Amino acid sequence: KAGVTQTPRYLIKTRGQQVTLSCSPISGHRSVSWYQQTPGQGLQFLFEYFSETQRNKGNFPGRFSGRQFSNSRSEMNVSTLELGDSALYLCASRVGQGEAFFGQGTRLTVV
Amino acid sequence: AQSVTQLGSHVSVSEGALVLLRCNYSSSVPPYLFWYVQYPNQGLQLLLKYTTGATLVKGINGFEAEFKKSETSFHLTKPSAHMSDAAEYFCAVRVNTGNQFYFGTGTSLTVIP
Repeated sequence: KAGVTQTPRYLIKTRGQQVTLSCSPISGHRSVSWYQQTPGQGLQFLFEYFSETQRNKGNFPGRFSGRQFSNSRSEMNVSTLELGDSALYLCASRVGQGEAFFGQGTRLTVV
Repeated sequence: AQSVTQLGSHVSVSEGALVLLRCNYSSSVPPYLFWYVQYPNQGLQLLLKYTTGATLVKGINGFEAEFKKSETSFHLTKPSAHMSDAAEYFCAVRVNTGNQFYFGTGTSLTVIP
C-alpha cells in the first residue's frame, strides 16, 4: 500500500507570492491533516479535512487555506508569502481513530 | 485542553546504553498517546501508540513506552541504543473524542559511538 505522498518535496518562493502544496493520502483514508514544522515553533496544527469538509482549524492567519477533493486528496494554499512561512509542511492521513501516517513533507523556502 | 511536555530537547547516550526520553501530558479526558520518530528532512514515522488496554506498549526497533495515568507520563525507553537511533523524537496526544494531534517540542537523540 502506498504511503502518504506530498508534492513537491522542495519549493523556493519569493515574498508576496502564493503557493499550493499537494497531499495524496493513503488509499481509504478520508481524514487529512496539515502541520507546519519550524525549528522555533515545532509542529503546529494547521487544519484537518474529512470528506471534503474542514473539521478542525489551528491558529493560523487566513492566508493559510486548504481544501479536500472527493478522492480525499488535499491541497493547502498560502497566499502573500512571508519569510516566516519558511517551514517543512507535513501532511498526515488517518482512518477512524487510528494513528496519523505522515508524508515526507514539502520544504518551503521563502526568499 | 491538551498539551504535551517533553523534558530535555537534547539527549545524548553512548551506544549500547539505555535510552530514556520523557513525555508528560495534560488531558481532561482519556488520551491516546503516540511516539513518532523523524529523521532529517523526512516525515514522522510512528514508533508506538497507546489507546486502551495494556499500559506497557512495545513498538518498532526495540522501543517501548509505559502509560502511567497517575503520573500523566508516557516515557519512551530502549534498553540498548544503536547508532541508527539518532533522530528527533516526538510525543503526541489525541483525545478519543477529538481529531487533532498535539505534539511535544521534540527531543533530539544523539548516540555516541
